[in-house]
Amino acid sequence: GQNIDQPTEMTATEGAIVQINCTYQTSGFNGLFWYQQHAGEAPTFLSYNVLDGLEEKGRFSSFLSRSKGYSYLLLKELQMKDSASYLCAVRDVLNRDKLSFGAGTTVTVRA
Amino acid sequence: DGGITQSPKYLFRKEGQNVTLSCEQNLNHDAMYWYRQDPGQGLRLIYYSQIVNDFQKGDIAEGYSVSREKKESFPLTVTSAQKNPTAFYLCASSRPQDNEKLFFGSGTQLSVL
Repeated sequence: GQNIDQPTEMTATEGAIVQINCTYQTSGFNGLFWYQQHAGEAPTFLSYNVLDGLEEKGRFSSFLSRSKGYSYLLLKELQMKDSASYLCAVRDVLNRDKLSFGAGTTVTVRA
Repeated sequence: DGGITQSPKYLFRKEGQNVTLSCEQNLNHDAMYWYRQDPGQGLRLIYYSQIVNDFQKGDIAEGYSVSREKKESFPLTVTSAQKNPTAFYLCASSRPQDNEKLFFGSGTQLSVL
């Protein structure tokens, strides 16, 4: 199985930058996903990393280091609507390519 | 517009009762999944299906059952054997062309009366 760790909560100010870290332990790494979930709603896809490096998509960027079992999601120019839970998920080819999810990081953006 | 529809949004179960959660998708995805979400925990996989008429147990299948008679539909039954059914249930689908990224429904909140 996988151990996926991410901080429980983070708070930041509108317009600031927040970095959400995710560490994982898996034997057959085959991709890492970040999802955003507003309370009581469906998670929505944010990013996918399978190779080392930084993927940038507008205000959101995601980084992966496979050797360190580490990823982060960077949220820039924070807006109030970014207040949500951010889920890190890892796919393991030795687990039939199923996704395992971390518990999520709740980000609160303050005015 | 294509998407995944879950119903109902809220569901209440009495002791000893079986209840069925509906999940329908018109994305033409082959793979469908059911996850359970509890506060402070990650999503946990209950069952998944990669093709019609075939499904596999996930990590927490006990007390649940599914069917996949049509590509578009993947209903989940929470049986009386599931002693702690109160949770938020999410249905999802995926296809290989999108790196198997998951598209989620809006969820069903199940509570026990």
